[in-house]
Amino acid sequence: AQSVTQLDSHVSVSEGTPVLLRCNYSSSYSPSLFWYVQHPNKGLQLLLKYTSAATLVKGINGFEAEFKKSETSFHLTKPSAHMSDAAEYFCVVNKDSSYKLIFGSGTRLLVRP
Amino acid sequence: NAGVTQTPKFQVLKTGQSMTLQCAQDMNHEYMSWYRQDPGMGLRLIHYSVGAGITDQGEVPNGYNVSRSTTEDFPLRLLSAAPSQTSVYFCASSPRLRRGGANVLTFGAGSRLTVL
Repeated sequence: AQSVTQLDSHVSVSEGTPVLLRCNYSSSYSPSLFWYVQHPNKGLQLLLKYTSAATLVKGINGFEAEFKKSETSFHLTKPSAHMSDAAEYFCVVNKDSSYKLIFGSGTRLLVRP
Repeated sequence: NAGVTQTPKFQVLKTGQSMTLQCAQDMNHEYMSWYRQDPGMGLRLIHYSVGAGITDQGEVPNGYNVSRSTTEDFPLRLLSAAPSQTSVYFCASSPRLRRGGANVLTFGAGSRLTVL
């Protein structure tokens, strides 16, 4: 069963406009959720994590995400896109009280000048 | 402090050959894992380990073996390579061992494997 779904494979925005990357999860347990970023030909870096302390989570480089239990969503946002934000973004869930971290299929963010 | 080191970075194999991807971390992390990354499929968990001597299967374990004889090393073995195993492989580790918890992963730089 799919544990995490990223709703868009590609998102294209203009520099200076808002970014929204969508993620829905399924978990029978109160999940831990993460966003990771992968720049071209690089490894993965943690952007932010949700651990039930606060529903609005702030991360690095101006990104934030809001945990909405009623919608089973954990969407990633940024008020103003920068060219350096162009990368692939992965939503990750800690599956059902296990040690398994399950990745979504990724969203590639393109930023137009 | 090297973090997570993967070798080799690139490898080309013929179908049926065997090989080992090496992963080493110097952060005394308890948790280590292997993922494969394929276009449009994100990262899929192959195997993971919660400590020396303890391993378990992830989402796509078939065709791969692992062992964890020390805290530092977590090699991934392909016993008989197949073209379907062409992928980029990432090793990742985490310091904390919390079931269902916020286990933040530190990733290696990746190993690109091509099986002809």
